[in-house]
Amino acid sequence: AQSVTQLDSHVSVSEGTPVLLRCNYSSSYSPSLFWYVQHPNKGLQLLLKYTSAATLVKGINGFEAEFKKSETSFHLTKPSAHMSDAAEYFCVVSDGGSQGNLIFGKGTKLSVKP
Amino acid sequence: KAGVTQTPRYLIKTRGQQVTLSCSPISGHRSVSWYQQTPGQGLQFLFEYFSETQRNKGNFPGRFSGRQFSNSRSEMNVSTLELGDSALYLCASSWTQSRTDTQYFGPGTRLTVL
Repeated sequence: AQSVTQLDSHVSVSEGTPVLLRCNYSSSYSPSLFWYVQHPNKGLQLLLKYTSAATLVKGINGFEAEFKKSETSFHLTKPSAHMSDAAEYFCVVSDGGSQGNLIFGKGTKLSVKP
Repeated sequence: KAGVTQTPRYLIKTRGQQVTLSCSPISGHRSVSWYQQTPGQGLQFLFEYFSETQRNKGNFPGRFSGRQFSNSRSEMNVSTLELGDSALYLCASSWTQSRTDTQYFGPGTRLTVL
């Protein structure tokens, strides 16, 4: 069965410093992995996705993630945090086989201090 | 292109009532999935519809049901509401049901059960 574990429930950074949100996954298949962001009282927005192409995936707003099969990790990074990055971030794996339902991590709340 | 729309955005119901939520996918998308988001359980998959057929179902009781119409619009219904059904219900659409397809989320319907 597929699963994801987000290692930090809350991360706090200062504006202009790097962001690292950690995610480990478990999958019997070659996984499809996604990072979504949710701003308060909003729906989910896709940041980036990995589907077995390049292991370093670039997303929107300067975010990127690296797929590391040996470590079963898919950490999300950004070189320099902006106040508008404050939100909740979800690491997601797509269920196996031909079905596309998503399995979500518990989320990491990112706070950005001025 | 218009995004995923969900109506209504907010609902207040009392225990024992039933409720119907609506989702209009992005034009051309044929797959619609529903998710429940609560503070305790996080984001959980409810069900997925493709070409008017339920293709996959999450671990929810039979009180939760849905359907998809020929224009790909979808509705979900919850009967005999319980306090624990209070949640944000998110709808997502994609071109196909493939696990590599990106799912685009609507803003959600916030259901409060009193």
